[in-house]
Formats: sequence, structure tokens, C-alpha cells
Amino acid sequence: DAGVTQSPTHLIKTRGQHVTLRCSPISGHKSVSWYQQVLGQGPQFIFQYYEKEERGRGNFPDRFSARQFPNYSSELNVNALLLGDSALYLCASSLDSSGGNYNEQFFGPGTRLTVL
Amino acid sequence: AQSVAQPEDQVNVAEGNPLTVKCTYSVSGNPYLFWYVQYPNRGLQFLLKYITGDNLVKGSYGFEAEFNKSQTSFHLKKPSALVSDSALYFCAVARYGNNRLAFGKGNQVVVIP
Repeated sequence: DAGVTQSPTHLIKTRGQHVTLRCSPISGHKSVSWYQQVLGQGPQFIFQYYEKEERGRGNFPDRFSARQFPNYSSELNVNALLLGDSALYLCASSLDSSGGNYNEQFFGPGTRLTVL
Repeated sequence: AQSVAQPEDQVNVAEGNPLTVKCTYSVSGNPYLFWYVQYPNRGLQFLLKYITGDNLVKGSYGFEAEFNKSQTSFHLKKPSALVSDSALYFCAVARYGNNRLAFGKGNQVVVIP
């Protein structure tokens, strides 16, 4: 079975531009989460979506937004890019987001975003 | 809020020697604890998890971890390190009822031949 896939692999943008990152979860997984990993740090939680609804949001500005489609794939959008948005953006999928019965998250290879 | 501390930036170990990577956590309620490994230019690969039950958890590639509630620790161990174990290791915690992961800053493990 295919794992979590993300596109594009690499992306170079300039300050002020907008970017859209895409993620396809493992077949049968209904929950998608996004994380930002800045060089030298651990991943930080941005969003979680389940059944097309936002289930959680990390401490990120409103420039960051996301959505989940009926096929459970997801997009992460970042507006008005800043130099500090340069990072590896990771998508993770899991079966669902139900509490009390943790479903482990499987990560994709990430999209490396460079903002110049 | 939940958080993880990985106190060492880099762990150096000779091939064949035991490997330990330390992790302490902070979370309200019962924790879900995880170890992930990251190779250069790759995403995160799951190693093992503690949800409930036995405090000693066995995972992939010969790794294990011990949950210690009193010390709020979840140290990763491997009895005999391999050169191929050289990578970046992340500890993560989630709060019961919420599968949002909080990661530590990571530990670079270098296994010396």
C-alpha cells in the first residue's frame, strides 16, 4: 500500500507570495494533520482535520489555513510568506481522531519550502 | 499543554555498545508517548509507542523504551547500536483524548564504527 504522499517535494517562493501544499493520506485514513519543522527543531503542530472538519489548530497566524476534501486529501495554504516560513512541512494521516483510542500517525516525506 | 524535553543535542556511541536517548515529558492526564526517527531529507518513521499497559515497550529495529510515570520519562534504548542507527531521533507526547503530537527538539545519534 502507498504511504502518505506529499507534493511538491521542494518549493522556492519569495516573500509576500502564497503557497499551496498538498497531501494524500494512506487509503482508509480519515484524519490528516500538518506539522512545520524548522531546521534544527522538532515538528510543530499546525492543523488537524477529520472528515473535512478542523479538529485542532496550533499556535500559528491566520496566514496559515487548510482544508480537507471528500477523498480525505488535504491542502495547506500559507499567505504573505515570510522568511521564517522556510521549513519542512510534514503531513501525517491516521485512521481517525477519536479520543481515548489513539491511532498512530504516519508521516509523509514532507515538502521543503524555501522563502527568499 | 504538553511538552517534551530531550536534554542532549547529540549522542555518540561506539558500534556494538548500548544506546540510550533520553526523553522527559509534561502533560496533564495520562500520556501517549512516541519515538520517531528521521533520516536526512526524509519524513518521520515511527519506532514505538506507549499507550497503556506494560511499561517496557518494544518497537522496530531492536529499539525499546521504558515508561516511568514517577520520573515522567520515556527513554529510548537499544542493546547494541549499529552504524545504520545514526539518525535524528524525536520523542513526542500526546494527551489522552487528543492525538495532537508535541515533539522534542530531537537528538542526533552518531554511531561510530
